[in-house]
Amino acid sequence: EDKVVQSPLSLVVHEGDTVTLNCSYEVTNFRSLLWYKQEKKAPTFLFMLTSSGIEKKSGRLSSILDKKELFSILNITATQTGDSAIYLCAVEPSPSNTGKLIFGQGTTLQVKP
Amino acid sequence: NAGVMQNPRHLVRRRGQEARLRCSPMKGHSHVYWYRQLPEEGLKFMVYLQKENIIDESGMPKERFSAEFPKEGPSILRIQQVVRGDSAAYFCASSPRQNQPQHFGDGTRLSIL
Repeated sequence: EDKVVQSPLSLVVHEGDTVTLNCSYEVTNFRSLLWYKQEKKAPTFLFMLTSSGIEKKSGRLSSILDKKELFSILNITATQTGDSAIYLCAVEPSPSNTGKLIFGQGTTLQVKP
Repeated sequence: NAGVMQNPRHLVRRRGQEARLRCSPMKGHSHVYWYRQLPEEGLKFMVYLQKENIIDESGMPKERFSAEFPKEGPSILRIQQVVRGDSAAYFCASSPRQNQPQHFGDGTRLSIL
């Protein structure tokens, strides 16, 4: 059965810290991996990764994929209280005409002032 | 640019009633996806639709649940004869094409009395 596992499930840090969130997956055929940030409402798209070793970066957030070891990491540097959220990892299997994303349980990040 | 619009935001139904959840995709998006988030669980895929077609309904319960995306108007997720176990947050997402990131709405919180 296809599955996505995130770790840790929860994390508490102080402003200014750097955090690394992990996502490992097992799918029969892999097409892409996506990261989302969920505050109180809609999950907000962060990154889509399809190739190994190519870092995607947006401000203080960055992510990279390792298709050989079947995992991805999401890094957040110089954390701020506004980074507090649930971070979701999802994998899109192939063939992609199913439209399905398989989500992990999420990592709940709390950034304290 | 309006995002994915879902309504109602909150819906309360008694056991045995019908629930109708609506989703208007982002402008220019013709692919719609429904997910369910049960308490303490991750997002689970339900169904993928394009205009007037169901592409993948592998995540839909076989009974009581149906979805449509008519030529005109929003996508509708319909739950007949609701039971307590249907209480959850139902999220809709849309994308402009296959294999593009899915963008989520704020969800409908369904509560069954």
